[in-house]
Amino acid sequence: SQQGEEDPQALSIQEGENATMNCSYKTSINNLQWYRQNSGRGLVHLILIRSNEREKHSGRLRVTLDTSKKSSSLLITASRAADTASYFCATDVRGANSKLTFGKGITLSVRP
Amino acid sequence: NAGVMQNPRHLVRRRGQEARLRCSPMKGHSHVYWYRQLPEEGLKFMVYLQKENIIDESGMPKERFSAEFPKEGPSILRIQQVVRGDSAAYFCASSLPGLGKETQYFGPGTRLLVL
Repeated sequence: SQQGEEDPQALSIQEGENATMNCSYKTSINNLQWYRQNSGRGLVHLILIRSNEREKHSGRLRVTLDTSKKSSSLLITASRAADTASYFCATDVRGANSKLTFGKGITLSVRP
Repeated sequence: NAGVMQNPRHLVRRRGQEARLRCSPMKGHSHVYWYRQLPEEGLKFMVYLQKENIIDESGMPKERFSAEFPKEGPSILRIQQVVRGDSAAYFCASSLPGLGKETQYFGPGTRLLVL
C-alpha cells in the first residue's frame, strides 16, 4: 500500500455539514500537507502541518496530526457546494529531498 | 505575482513522437518538481531540479524521459518516442529555497494524450 492513504475514498454530504477526511502514512515525515483538486484542474495548497505540530487551523479548515499513529485528519466545517473536489494528503518524507508522496485522494461531493 | 505556469495545457501526440512540456516557476522560486497523475490516481513524483542541476530523478523512467532546468528559461520535461501509457496529466510545482521549500505551488498541469 502507499505511503499516504486517505479514507474514505468518497464522501457525500449536505451543504452546511462538516466533512472529515483521514490520511495514514508509513514512515517518518517532516510535514504533511493537504491539497484540493477540482476536476481537470491543478492542485491548490490548503494547509501544511509540521511533524512537531498537533493541530492547525485555517479558516474553515482544521488539520490534526498524530505522529504516534502516523495519521492526519482534515475537517472542513460548514461545507459549501464549492468545496466539491478531490482532496489529497501529501507527505514530505524525512530524508527524501522534499519530494511529496501523495495518496489516491478523497472525492468530496457537497450537495446544495 | 503570477503562479506556476505550464504550457501547453493540452498536448496530443501520436505514438513515437516527442512531447515537450514546459514549466515556468513562480518568481523567486529556484526549485522545480515534476509529478505525473494517471486517471483516478494521486500524483507520483518524477524529478526534482534546481537551476542547472538534477537533484533527484528517482521517480523518472530511465528511458525516453529527461528533464532540465536551465539557468535561463523554463524547466522542460521531455518524453521521446511516446507510448500510449505516457498519457497522463503532468504537473510542475515550484518552491522557494531553504526553509521556504516546504510548500510546493502547483501549476495547472499539461494533459498529454498519446494516440
